[in-house]
Amino acid sequence: EVQLVESGGGLVQPGGSLRLSCAASGFSFSNYDMHWVRQPTGKGPEWVSAIGIAGDTYYAGSVKGRFTISRENAKNSFYLQMNSLRAEDTAVYYCTRDLCTNGLCLWFDPWGQGTLVTVSS
Amino acid sequence: QSVLTQPPSASGTPGQRVTISCSGSTSNIGSNTVNWYQQLPGTAPKLLIYRNNQRPSGVPDRFSGSKSGTSASLAISGLQSEDEADYYCAAWDDSLNGRGVFGGGTKLTVL
Repeated sequence: EVQLVESGGGLVQPGGSLRLSCAASGFSFSNYDMHWVRQPTGKGPEWVSAIGIAGDTYYAGSVKGRFTISRENAKNSFYLQMNSLRAEDTAVYYCTRDLCTNGLCLWFDPWGQGTLVTVSS
Repeated sequence: QSVLTQPPSASGTPGQRVTISCSGSTSNIGSNTVNWYQQLPGTAPKLLIYRNNQRPSGVPDRFSGSKSGTSASLAISGLQSEDEADYYCAAWDDSLNGRGVFGGGTKLTVL
């Protein structure tokens, strides 16, 4: 079964850091571009970051310079290091796989179950 | 303000056909394929349409997608009560070194 499982969410103070992990199983992880998408409560999804199979990285303007995406193919995992967190970063964070074979296209399947990040004092 | 523009709400009665629009620009919809997601309360988004008009296995053929220029549409025919959900369009955007963009979402109500 193709599956993605996030971990690492929690409560953090403004200015703090958190590292999210996404463990993949059931497919050849190294052959896929991977993304993080977040969704604040009551709002729509917001694309956060992507990492290509060659390690190329992409970020939303709202997180550039604060978040870092990385992957570890040997562990079938990828990560989102989040620094200088702000209240507006509060959301459920999903990891997901891009099924496009010729670049990034947001053809996402599957999605993880999501992990909640709350930034509050 | 989302990069892709969707109407905030849509509605229809059982059996009707409804369409949801998604408007973008040359750097996103005009250059790349569009995907649609359905989200039920408390769950992760689910892939509904990929590459403008392709349905994943398991998605009923009542759902269809189309794209023309810088706009895309999702059509749902034979509306059913279980179709009541939030719907989002998404595409890659070639501007600003590349980024993903979503529509703001359309809440579909089955009357």
